[in-house]
Amino acid sequence: AQKVTQAQTEISVVEKEDVTLDCVYETRDTTYYLFWYKQPPSGELVFLIRRNSFDEQNEISGRYSWNFQKSTSSFNFTITASQVVDSAVYFCALSGTPYGGSQGNLIFGKGTKLSVKP
Amino acid sequence: DADVTQTPRNRITKTGKRIMLECSQTKGHDRMYWYRQDPGLGLRLIYYSFDVKDINKGEISDGYSVSRQAQAKFSLSLESAIPNQTALYFCATSDVGGRDEQYFGPGTRLTVT
Repeated sequence: AQKVTQAQTEISVVEKEDVTLDCVYETRDTTYYLFWYKQPPSGELVFLIRRNSFDEQNEISGRYSWNFQKSTSSFNFTITASQVVDSAVYFCALSGTPYGGSQGNLIFGKGTKLSVKP
Repeated sequence: DADVTQTPRNRITKTGKRIMLECSQTKGHDRMYWYRQDPGLGLRLIYYSFDVKDINKGEISDGYSVSRQAQAKFSLSLESAIPNQTALYFCATSDVGGRDEQYFGPGTRLTVT
């Protein structure tokens, strides 16, 4: 069975601090995909990144970076120099291929609520 | 215009009432999904549909039913609403699934009193 664990329920930082959101996953699939979504206080879900299981390159997009490590089954998300606008709930999610047991559906972690204070 | 729309955006209803939440998409995707979000529990899959004739139960389908009226429309019904169905409901679409990101609607906040 697939599972995503986001052990940090809530994190509070002061603006300009760096913060890392942890995500640990479990799957028996050899091909799988990992995602991060952001849910700001307004409630919508915003796609941030997708990574497939064969691509362990870290990715950087502005102040955001992602560290994918298959050896530890982790896909952690770091925000550098956090800003108040980064305050949101962040979800990590996992899917397999459409032809596997999960039928390509997303399995979400429970989310980490990040509060960035000025 | 938004790619995925949901109506209503907010609804308050009483225990025992039947209620329908509607979802429309303009992405041209075959796959559509209904999720429920509760505080601290993340998003849980209620039903999903691969096309008009292929509908499947998700993790928490009890108390819910769905209808896929067309490729673009996927409705969720609560036949007899109960208070623990109070939640934020999201509709989503994707192309093939797996590698493809899901596009989410804005959500429907449902309160059952």
